Amino acid sequence: QVQLVESGGGVVLPGRSLRLSCAASGFSLTTLAMHWVRQAPGKGLEWVAFISYDGHNKYYADSVKGRFTISRDTSKNTLYLQMDSLRSDDTAIYYCAREGKIRGIYPFDFWGQGTLVTVSS
Amino acid sequence: QSVLTQPPSVSGAPGQRVTISCTGSSSNIGAGHDVHWYQHLPGTAPKLLIYGNINRPSGVPDRFSGSKSGTSASLTITGLQAEDEADYYCQSYDTSLSGWVFGGGTKLTVL
Repeated sequence: QVQLVESGGGVVLPGRSLRLSCAASGFSLTTLAMHWVRQAPGKGLEWVAFISYDGHNKYYADSVKGRFTISRDTSKNTLYLQMDSLRSDDTAIYYCAREGKIRGIYPFDFWGQGTLVTVSS
Repeated sequence: QSVLTQPPSVSGAPGQRVTISCTGSSSNIGAGHDVHWYQHLPGTAPKLLIYGNINRPSGVPDRFSGSKSGTSASLTITGLQAEDEADYYCQSYDTSLSGWVFGGGTKLTVL
């Protein structure tokens, strides 16, 4: 069955970096696109980044463009989010989500449990 | 300020029906992009509830239904149960932003 397990969260100083991982099982990252979505404390869900099934296309929310990088290691079937120049407003639970393909429709059909990132001095 | 607008909260008694609205614009829902709905309990993985405006994934009870018209979409829950108490989010794609967008979320309270 499909499973997504995030890791790598923690407490980090403003301006520092952190890399999140999302280990996928039950399917191959080479077959479907993936996203990172975050939820700040007391706030709603916010889309962060996208990587296509072939790894060629990557898109980012304006709030993280130039600071965050999405990537993957297909040999480990693991998705990553490299977060640089972190700010206090990046504090959130970060979820990885699979973009499914159901009858030509592309919802986020499976999500991980999330990993908490706290940016604080 | 979310691109898609949802009411912050709705409530209903067990057995009743509630509807959650999701209002967008001509660059997202009105542009013909699909609307998806998710159920989220804090501390857990969000769950896909409705995809492609009206479709239910297998395993989702038929008490949950979706609709879309113009620049808006709605999620309707009939026969409310205590276990339905959660946060609900609509999601679509925005052509102007070139990115995926969510509603601000609606907290459902079962009285």
